[in-house]
Amino acid sequence: DTEVTQTPKHLVMGMTNKKSLKCEQHMGHRAMYWYKQKAKKPPELMFVYSYEKLSINESVPSRFSPECPNSSLLNLHLHALQPEDSALYLCASSQDRVGTKLFGSGTRLTVV
Amino acid sequence: RKEVEQDPGPFNVPEGATVAFNCTYSNSASQSFFWYRQDCRKEPKLLMSVYSSGNEDGRFTAQLNRASQYISLLIRDSKLSDSATYLCVVAPTFMGRRALTFGSGTRLQVQP
Repeated sequence: DTEVTQTPKHLVMGMTNKKSLKCEQHMGHRAMYWYKQKAKKPPELMFVYSYEKLSINESVPSRFSPECPNSSLLNLHLHALQPEDSALYLCASSQDRVGTKLFGSGTRLTVV
Repeated sequence: RKEVEQDPGPFNVPEGATVAFNCTYSNSASQSFFWYRQDCRKEPKLLMSVYSSGNEDGRFTAQLNRASQYISLLIRDSKLSDSATYLCVVAPTFMGRRALTFGSGTRLQVQP
């Protein structure tokens, strides 16, 4: 298995909803990442997990809450989002912090 | 000054043409360099790593000039399927905060 799998592929949620994005990889990668990408912009780093511990939080608002239950899974819990949070949310993984990053196909999130 | 700068394009070229993209980076301590390709509404996919000695993969050639802090990508014999956005990506030293820094991307449109 050489993929990073993200679910759901599309998500529409209201500003009072609570939802979660999921990311899974079975390549034994020990670093996992969440990126946010707005249209016509490059991906922006949100969080980095290294060996299941949060190592980087790029000053992301608390309405985004990451969780790494085990070495294969990475979640992003969403609560009280704003319409400007609508974007493509990309998960990536790598063997370690400096290794080549492999991206999942993303979750396209729309906040209404 | 942006950490990684690219000409956004678009570059409109006919099939069979040779096209070159350049990218400059500001952090002289950067260690790893990559070109990613991103199709519209898809995730970024690694095209190739970039080494100081230069590297070639079929029609694609990447080069790194550490002294001038720029990276280049040359595409020969362009195909319609090469139409995409090409992202220059720079990774820090092992102790760096950021996982990857993306350029804003250069859009390539290959015309029949």
